[in-house]
Amino acid sequence: GAGVSQSPSNKVTEKGKDVELRCDPISGHTALYWYRQSLGQGLEFLIYFQGNSAPDKSGLPSDRFSAERTGGSVSTLTIQRTQQEDSAVYLCASSQRMLEETQYFGPGTRLLVL
Amino acid sequence: GQSLEQPSEVTAVEGAIVQINCTYQTSGFYGLSWYQQHDGGAPTFLSYNALDGLEETGRFSSFLSRSDSYGYLLLQELQMKDSASYFCAVRDHADFNKFYFGSGTKLNVKP
Repeated sequence: GAGVSQSPSNKVTEKGKDVELRCDPISGHTALYWYRQSLGQGLEFLIYFQGNSAPDKSGLPSDRFSAERTGGSVSTLTIQRTQQEDSAVYLCASSQRMLEETQYFGPGTRLLVL
Repeated sequence: GQSLEQPSEVTAVEGAIVQINCTYQTSGFYGLSWYQQHDGGAPTFLSYNALDGLEETGRFSSFLSRSDSYGYLLLQELQMKDSASYFCAVRDHADFNKFYFGSGTKLNVKP
C-alpha cells in the first residue's frame, strides 16, 4: 500500500476484554514500531521489530501486552484483560531499514476501555 | 534513560516566526528529530539533526547543540495550516531502535 495502515481505526471495549490491533507497514520496510499516545501527551515507545528478529519487549507496560509480527510484515498488538488506563491511541510506524531516521506513522487505533 | 522537555503551548500570528525549544537529558543519543502532528492525525517526520548546527528545509529549520543539551525547531512565514503539535524525539544510544519523544508543543497560529 501507499502508507502504513492500521485497523480498526476505533475500538470500544469493556474492561476485562481482550483486544487485537493490527498494523500493515509500508511494503519493503523492515523496521516496525508500536507507540501509545494518551490524550495530549507524547508518544510512549512500546516495542519494535526488525525483520523477523525477536522483538525487544522491554517497553511493554505490562505482561497483558504482547505483539507479534508475521512473515516480517503485518504486526498485531494484543492487550489482554483491558483496563481503563489502556485507553489511548495506539500508533504504528515503519521505516525502510534499521537506523533509518524517518518513521512513517499510520493513522492509529483509538482504543476506549469502558 | 531519556527525558525531553518542550513548552506545552505556543501561540503566534500568521506570517510570523516561531521557535519551539527542546531541552533534553539523555545518557547518549544519535540525533534529534522533529515530527508534526495535526489534531486526530498521524505524526509526520519534519527534520533530523545528527550534528550540531542548523538544518534548513524550506520554511522549517532545526538546530542542535549537544554541548547545551538543546535543540529547537524554527518555523518561518507561519501559515494557518502550521497549527499542530510538534514533537522532538531522540534515538536511544544504548538501544538504537528505541525512540523517546517529548510531550509535544501545541502551536496555535492566529490570523
